[in-house]
Amino acid sequence: QVQLVQSGAEVKKPGASVKVSCKASGYTFGGHYIHWVRQAPGQGLEWMGWINPNSGDTNYAQKFQGRVTMTRDTSISTAYMELSRLRFDDTAVYYCARETRGGYYLDYWGQGTPVTVSS
Amino acid sequence: QSVLTQPPSVSGAPGQRVTISCTGSSSNIGAGYDVHWYQQLPGTAPKLLIYANTNRPSGVPDRFSGSKSGTSASLAITGLQAEDEADYYCQSFDSSLSGYVVFGGGTKLTVL
Repeated sequence: QVQLVQSGAEVKKPGASVKVSCKASGYTFGGHYIHWVRQAPGQGLEWMGWINPNSGDTNYAQKFQGRVTMTRDTSISTAYMELSRLRFDDTAVYYCARETRGGYYLDYWGQGTPVTVSS
Repeated sequence: QSVLTQPPSVSGAPGQRVTISCTGSSSNIGAGYDVHWYQQLPGTAPKLLIYANTNRPSGVPDRFSGSKSGTSASLAITGLQAEDEADYYCQSFDSSLSGYVVFGGGTKLTVL
C-alpha cells in the first residue's frame, strides 16, 4: 500500500533552516510528483510547491521562492523540503503529498511534521 | 486570503443534507480546471474525498458527492453522521501567478 512517512517534529530559532523528509513506499517513486503543503495553527492549507522525483524539476509557489528548496534521493525513495531564514509565522505542520498522475490532485498524504519557530 | 472562497462554517443535524460551496475565478475553476475536495478530521492529515469534480475514491461513502458549474463547485453530504464533523477543503489548478495548486480557506462542518 502507498505510504508517505515524514520525519519528526522540529523546533528551530528564527533565521535558522529546517529540512523535512518524506519517505515513499508502495509505488514507483519516480512516477508521481511530490507536493509540499503547510498548515499554520488553526489555519487552512497552503501549497508550497512540487518536485518531480524522476527529473528533479521543481515548481515553487511565488511566496516561498528564494527560501524553499525541494530535493529528492531516488536511491531511498525520499523527498526533502528545506525552508531557510525561518520566521515565527513559519510555525506550521508541513505535509508531503503524492500527486496522482496527470490529475493535479493529491491522493496520498504524509502524516505531517510539526515545525515550531521559537526563540 | 485564499484564491478559492469557501464559507467558514456550516452545520446540520444528523441525517440532514448540507452543501459547501467553493467559488473561484476565470484562472482556475472558470478556466475548466477540475475541483477536488479533501476532508480533514481533527488532528489528522487531509484525505482525498472527491476528485475531478464528481468522483469518489474507493472507500468514500456515496453520501458524499461533488458538482461543478461555471466558476464554482459544491460538495454535498447527505445523511449527516457525527463522524462527518471535520474541516473540508476544495482545491484546483490555477494558471495565474497565484500558484499551480490552490486551496479554499476551508469549511468547518459541525454536526449538531
